[in-house]
Amino acid sequence: GAVVSQHPSRVICKSGTSVKIECRSLDFQATTMFWYRQFPKQSLMLMATSNEGSKATYEQGVEKDKFLINHASLTLSTLTVTSAHPEDSSFYICSARNSHYGYTFGSGTRLTVV
Amino acid sequence: SQQGEEDPQALSIQEGENATMNCSYKTSINNLQWYRQNSGRGLVHLILIRSNEREKHSGRLRVTLDTSKKSSSLLITASRAADTASYFCATPPTSGTYKYIFGTGTRLKVLA
Repeated sequence: GAVVSQHPSRVICKSGTSVKIECRSLDFQATTMFWYRQFPKQSLMLMATSNEGSKATYEQGVEKDKFLINHASLTLSTLTVTSAHPEDSSFYICSARNSHYGYTFGSGTRLTVV
Repeated sequence: SQQGEEDPQALSIQEGENATMNCSYKTSINNLQWYRQNSGRGLVHLILIRSNEREKHSGRLRVTLDTSKKSSSLLITASRAADTASYFCATPPTSGTYKYIFGTGTRLKVLA
């Protein structure tokens, strides 16, 4: 079956620094990956759609300069939270789409900005 | 917002009982999916039901879909403590986009 690896699973960073989260499809190629954000006890909110080889498409209200997305290969998309602030603390989840397997989600990254 | 609503928001039952969760959505859909999320973890796909299906089973799971009411339900029979998790429905709009919209989720707690 399809596996999506997300790394790191937890990260604590200081306010003002940048954090990179990786999302890898391990056994399939993903032309499209999605990044979600989830606040405690709330649902997943789509942040952006990441397309291999092109610019990401951001949802309304998501700052593209703050949440940098790079999808340089068919198996890797990265989300970089730039100049992180405590309000960026959240659970970030990626998913990868493949025509055969459909959607597969990563295990998530809990970001804490102190 | 296109986000769907789930009902109830939280549900606490005894082991062995059945758990029913409902999801309402706003747009026309081609399919609806249910996911489970254990605390602090990613999502696990449970079941997909297509718009031309009314009911689908998978093990102890039973999903129904009523497109006229724009609603779906997830029934977990003979619940176990390990079923404790949050459950979300997700729908893609029929416009062709692959952006799945998640419902607000139901937090299920199964007491041993």
